[in-house]
Amino acid sequence: DTAVSQTPKYLVTQMGNDKSIKCEQNLGHDTMYWYKQDSKKFLKIMFSYNNKELIINETVPNRFSPKSPDKAHLNLHINSLELGDSAVYFCASSPTGQGSTGELFFGEGSRLTVL
Amino acid sequence: GENVEQHPSTLSVQEGDSAVIKCTYSDSASNYFPWYKQELGKGPQLIIDIRSNVGEKKDQRIAVTLNKTAKHFSLHITETQPEDSAVYFCAASRETSGSRLTFGEGTQLTVNP
Repeated sequence: DTAVSQTPKYLVTQMGNDKSIKCEQNLGHDTMYWYKQDSKKFLKIMFSYNNKELIINETVPNRFSPKSPDKAHLNLHINSLELGDSAVYFCASSPTGQGSTGELFFGEGSRLTVL
Repeated sequence: GENVEQHPSTLSVQEGDSAVIKCTYSDSASNYFPWYKQELGKGPQLIIDIRSNVGEKKDQRIAVTLNKTAKHFSLHITETQPEDSAVYFCAASRETSGSRLTFGEGTQLTVNP
C-alpha cells in the first residue's frame, strides 16, 4: 500500500548508457514531480507534470526525458549517462486543486551511480 | 527566482535540549513555507508548514516562526529525542499548492542520547 513507489531503488551503470526510473502513485494526486538530490543533499526540482502535461522544466539537459503515460505514473529516462548524473532521484506527488494543503509526498528515492 | 539559505548545515544537541534551524528567502512574493524531515534512506516528509498570514504555528514539540518583513523563518524543536536525528529542509514558494518549492540546503540534526 505504498503511496509513492519508485523503481529501481538502486541503479549502477556505466557512462554513456541509457537508463530509466519508474514512479507510480496511488494517492489520486494530479501532479507529479522529479527531484534530484546531489551528494551534498541539495534537493532541486527537475520536472513537474499536472494531469500528464509538463508544467515545470528546470533547465535540465535534454538527455533527461520525463514521460507521463497517465496521471498516476511519471517515468524518467536518461540518455548518455554522465558521471555528474550520479545522485538520488526522488519522485513526488501532490494534489493541486482546491483544498490542497501544499504537501508533497515523496517516494523513497532511486540512487543512481554512474561509473 | 527564489533563493533559500539555511543555517546551520549541521547541528548537534543533547537529548532534551532545544534545536533551532533558520532560513532566509529572497522572493518577497513567497507565501508558503514548509519544513521537511528526511530520515536516512527515506524520502523527505512534511512535518510542519506556515503561510504568510500567520507569524507562528506550533504542533506538539515543533514550532515554526515567520518574519515576512525580514524574510526569514525558523524551525524550533523542543525536548529533542534521538529519533529527531535527520536532515531537515526548509522551503519557500509563491504557490500554496507546493508545486514550485525552492529548498534550502538542509541541516543535519544529531540528537545525542
